[in-house]
Amino acid sequence: DTAVSQTPKYLVTQMGNDKSIKCEQNLGHDTMYWYKQDSKKFLKIMFSYNNKELIINETVPNRFSPKSPDKAHLNLHINSLELGDSAVYFCASSHPSGAETDTQYFGPGTRLTVL
Amino acid sequence: SQKIEQNSEALNIQEGKTATLTCNYTNYSPAYLQWYRQDPGRGPVFLLLIRENEKEKRKERLKVTFDTTLKQSLFHITASQPADSATYLCALDEDSWGKLQFGAGTQVVVTP
Repeated sequence: DTAVSQTPKYLVTQMGNDKSIKCEQNLGHDTMYWYKQDSKKFLKIMFSYNNKELIINETVPNRFSPKSPDKAHLNLHINSLELGDSAVYFCASSHPSGAETDTQYFGPGTRLTVL
Repeated sequence: SQKIEQNSEALNIQEGKTATLTCNYTNYSPAYLQWYRQDPGRGPVFLLLIRENEKEKRKERLKVTFDTTLKQSLFHITASQPADSATYLCALDEDSWGKLQFGAGTQVVVTP
C-alpha cells in the first residue's frame, strides 16, 4: 500500500523520558512534515523537511529534534518529556514545495501520553 | 495577528440535505485554500484545493467557493449521507514552502 506510516500508534511514557516517533512515506514525495494536534484539536505545524533539509522550524522547544535520514523518512525525537507534550503527532508528506499543489498526505497519527 | 475561523459548533444535518461550512480568515493572502476531512482517530485526508483566481471548485457531491475579497471559503456537501459525518478542516498556505495553517475544524453529523 502506498501511504504515510508512523510508529508507534500509541506511546505512554513517564515525564522526563526520551522517546522517538518514526515516519515513512512511499509516495515518492520530497517534503515531509510533523504536526501536533492538541486536545482542542488544533493542528499546528512543527517542522518541515525538503530532501532531508530543514525548511520550516516553528517555535518548538529544542527538546524536539527532527531527523531525516533520507527523503522517505522523518523521525521525531523528544527529550525530557513534559506533561504538555501529550498530544497526537501527525507526520505528512507532499510533492516538492513551491509546486503550488501542496496537497498533504497524513499518517495515522501517534497518540503520546506523558504521565 | 493571523486567524482562521471555522464554526466551532457541530453542524447537525438530516440525510439528503446540503451542509454548508464556513472558513473565514484574516491577515492572510493565500495563493490557495484546501479542505480536509478528519475522522476520529485518523489523520486528515485531502478533499479539495481552490486557487485564489478560482471562484468555485467541485468534486462529486462537494463544492468549494473562495472569495478573496470577503476572505472567506464556503464548503458544501450536497445530498449528505451519514458517511459524511466527520470533522472538516480548512487550511491556508502561508508561504511557498507548503506551510499550511489549519482552522480548528467543524464537526458535521448527518443523521438518517
